[in-house]
Amino acid sequence: AQSVSQHNHHVILSEAASLELGCNYSYGGTVNLFWYVQYPGQHLQLLLKYFSGDPLVKGIKGFEAEFIKSKFSFNLRKPSVQWSDTAEYFCAVNAGHQAGTALIFGKGTTLSVSS
Amino acid sequence: DGGITQSPKYLFRKEGQNVTLSCEQNLNHDAMYWYRQDPGQGLRLIYYSQIVNDFQKGDIAEGYSVSREKKESFPLTVTSAQKNPTAFYLCASSTGTYQSYNEQFFGPGTRLTVL
Repeated sequence: AQSVSQHNHHVILSEAASLELGCNYSYGGTVNLFWYVQYPGQHLQLLLKYFSGDPLVKGIKGFEAEFIKSKFSFNLRKPSVQWSDTAEYFCAVNAGHQAGTALIFGKGTTLSVSS
Repeated sequence: DGGITQSPKYLFRKEGQNVTLSCEQNLNHDAMYWYRQDPGQGLRLIYYSQIVNDFQKGDIAEGYSVSREKKESFPLTVTSAQKNPTAFYLCASSTGTYQSYNEQFFGPGTRLTVL
């Protein structure tokens, strides 16, 4: 069965620190990869996505993620976090290109940024 | 504005009662999904529907039921058979086509508390 692992349950950083959140998935075939973010009291929203092509993808608010196929990883990075990045972050995977199938989510990482 | 609405935002239920959560979308999406979010558990799939009048069980369907009579609506019923129904419920939709690569859009959620 497919699964997604997020290595960090809770990350605490000071403003301007660099961020890297780990995400690994288990599926040997073609995957679509996503990072979603849930700010306090807000909808879950898409941060960035990878379908094909350049393995380094850029998303909103200065976030980026790198797909490393050999490591089954899709880690999220940001060079300098802000207090407003405090949120819960979810990695998700969709196996293959079958239309209309559900995503498999990791358990999430809570990021707390202190000013 | 296009989007997904869920109602109510907060719902309280007595043990032994069935309750129905509403989900409506005006994005003209074919596929709709219900997830359950618990602290530290990420999002887990309850049911999904790729087209009207058709739906499939997800990983944790026991104690839940759905219907998909209209493209824009996908209500979820939490039955008395669900042993631990207190949770945050999220509805999502996607175009359901190959080209969309299953990017999902989420509603604001309904927090259900069983008293």
